[in-house]
Order: sequence, then structure tokens, then C-alpha cells
Amino acid sequence: DAGVIQSPRHEVTEMGQEVTLRCKPISGHNSLFWYRQTMMRGLELLIYFNNNVPIDDSGMPEDRFSAKMPNASFSTLKIQPSEPRDSAVYFCASSQGTVNQPQHFGDGTRLSIL
Amino acid sequence: GESVGLHLPTLSVQEGDNSIINCAYSNSASDYFIWYKQESGKGPQFIIDIRSNMDKRQGQRVTVLLNKTVKHLSLQIAATQPGDSAVYFCAEISYGQNFVFGPGTRLSVLP
Repeated sequence: DAGVIQSPRHEVTEMGQEVTLRCKPISGHNSLFWYRQTMMRGLELLIYFNNNVPIDDSGMPEDRFSAKMPNASFSTLKIQPSEPRDSAVYFCASSQGTVNQPQHFGDGTRLSIL
Repeated sequence: GESVGLHLPTLSVQEGDNSIINCAYSNSASDYFIWYKQESGKGPQFIIDIRSNMDKRQGQRVTVLLNKTVKHLSLQIAATQPGDSAVYFCAEISYGQNFVFGPGTRLSVLP
């Protein structure tokens, strides 16, 4: 079975540009999570969806960040405008439900904002 | 609790020895725990989970122990191999809440 698929794997762009990260969850999983990982702060939950509906976005740093899930097989995380402090590895994860189920992670997008 | 990854604890073990990685969790109401393995350039990979009504669970070469009295979780890896070198995270969750990840421990397997 295919795991969680993220694209692009690497993104380098200049500050002020719009960045869009993409995620395809595992088929049949109805919960999707976006995380950010940095050396300083570790893994941080940004937002999660259940049945395509955003449930908790309290981890989204600021209004420059937005996430959508138009259907069960696709989600995007957008940063506009991007800033150097947004540089991190962004992970998408999915699970069957949100209660006591393991999350399965993609291999992440390494984002560098110059 | 937020994860702070400024300085990762490191555990170095000889190939073939057993490894024990420890994790102190913060929420006494947490009822589900997972250990993840993260290799360089990859996402966290599920290893094993345990629910709060258990104190031990075994998988292939791995055992997770849960001590709710002192809020401690451990991962034991038998006969550690070079491929086990990675960062290991524990994660806790209580019903209705989100996963909280620990800061991680780097395991280095020495030849």
C-alpha cells in the first residue's frame, strides 16, 4: 500500500513568495494532520482535519499560514508571504479516526526560505 | 507540553547489545502511547503502541513498558543492529486531545 505522499520533497524560495505544500493521505484514512519540525521546537502540530473538515488549527503560527482539504485524498498547506523563519521540515500524517489511532507520516517537505 | 529539540539526548550502544530508550510523559490522563523511529531525511515511522490498560507490549525485537505511577515509558530493542540507528520519539495522547511528541532520543549503534 502507498503511504502518505508529500510534494515537493524540497523547496527553496525567496522570502515573500507563496509556498504550497501538498499531501495525499493513505486511502481510507479520514484524519489528516500537518506538522512542522525544527531543531529548536521539535514536532509541532499545525492543524488537523477529520472527514475533510478542519477541527483544530490552534497550532497555525499566524495568518500567513492556511490549509485546505478539498477532498479525502488531497490537502494543501500554504504560506503567503513566506519568511525565513518558516524554514523547517513540514510533515503530513494521516490516521483512521482521531481517537487512539497511530498516525502515519509522509517523508516531509524540507522548506528553505532565503 | 511542547517539544524542545535543542539538544537531543544520545544513546550509544554496541551492535548486538540491547537498547533501552526512556521517555517521561507529562499528562496523567494520557491513555495511548506510541513510539516512532525517524531516520535521516524521512518521516517518523510507527514502531509500536500501547494503551493505558496495559503495562507491557511486545513486537518484533521491540518491547514497550508503561509505568503509569511515575508516568514513564520505555522502548527496549533487542540485539540492536546498525539499521536501528535513528531518532526515537515517544508520543502521548489523551481522549479528545492531540498527540504530544517528546523531544526524541538519538540512538547510535557502534560496530
